[in-house]
Amino acid sequence: AQKITQTQPGMFVQEKEAVTLDCTYDTSDPSYGLFWYKQPSSGEMIFLIYQGSYDQQNATEGRYSLNFQKARKSANLVISASQLGDSAMYFCAMRKGVNFGNEKLTFGTGTRLTIIP
Amino acid sequence: GAVVSQHPSRVICKSGTSVKIECRSLDFQATTMFWYRQFPKQSLMLMATSNEGSKATYEQGVEKDKFLINHASLTLSTLTVTSAHPEDSSFYICSARRFRGQETQYFGPGTRLLVL
Repeated sequence: AQKITQTQPGMFVQEKEAVTLDCTYDTSDPSYGLFWYKQPSSGEMIFLIYQGSYDQQNATEGRYSLNFQKARKSANLVISASQLGDSAMYFCAMRKGVNFGNEKLTFGTGTRLTIIP
Repeated sequence: GAVVSQHPSRVICKSGTSVKIECRSLDFQATTMFWYRQFPKQSLMLMATSNEGSKATYEQGVEKDKFLINHASLTLSTLTVTSAHPEDSSFYICSARRFRGQETQYFGPGTRLLVL
């Protein structure tokens, strides 16, 4: 069975600082995909970044980067130069397989990030 | 970009009534859609996988007679909460699968259901 663990229920960060949101996972499958989603107070889930288990380099998308440490089974999200609009819930998620086909996502419990002006 | 809509965004109903929630993919066809449930301050839990033209696949512990799913077209899936009770009050989110890149699941804005 797959499991995602987010140990930080809440974080407060000063505006313009970088922030790291922790995510560890557990799976026996060699092939898997890791996602980060942002959920603002409106409720919609916004895709941020994806990392495949076979990807050699860490994924980056603008201010977001994923610190993928496969041996430690961690996939931390790094947000550089945080902005007030980054305040939201952040969910780490995993799916089985890297290729299109099995889209069932397992979500972590989330981290509520609050950016302080 | 891909857009998935849900209707209604909020619904309040009396206990015992049925509520239908629609999930539409607006600019792409989705053979597969997913229904999630999220309780306050908790994570998303997958309820079922909706496949166009066939029966939905429900996750363990989800009552299929309670949560009826119909995926009648490539752009529409509906979730009907039958004989709703206060414990069914929750945030319901759908997502649609699309053949594109690595991020292949696009989420709708969610529906807040309150059963009185």
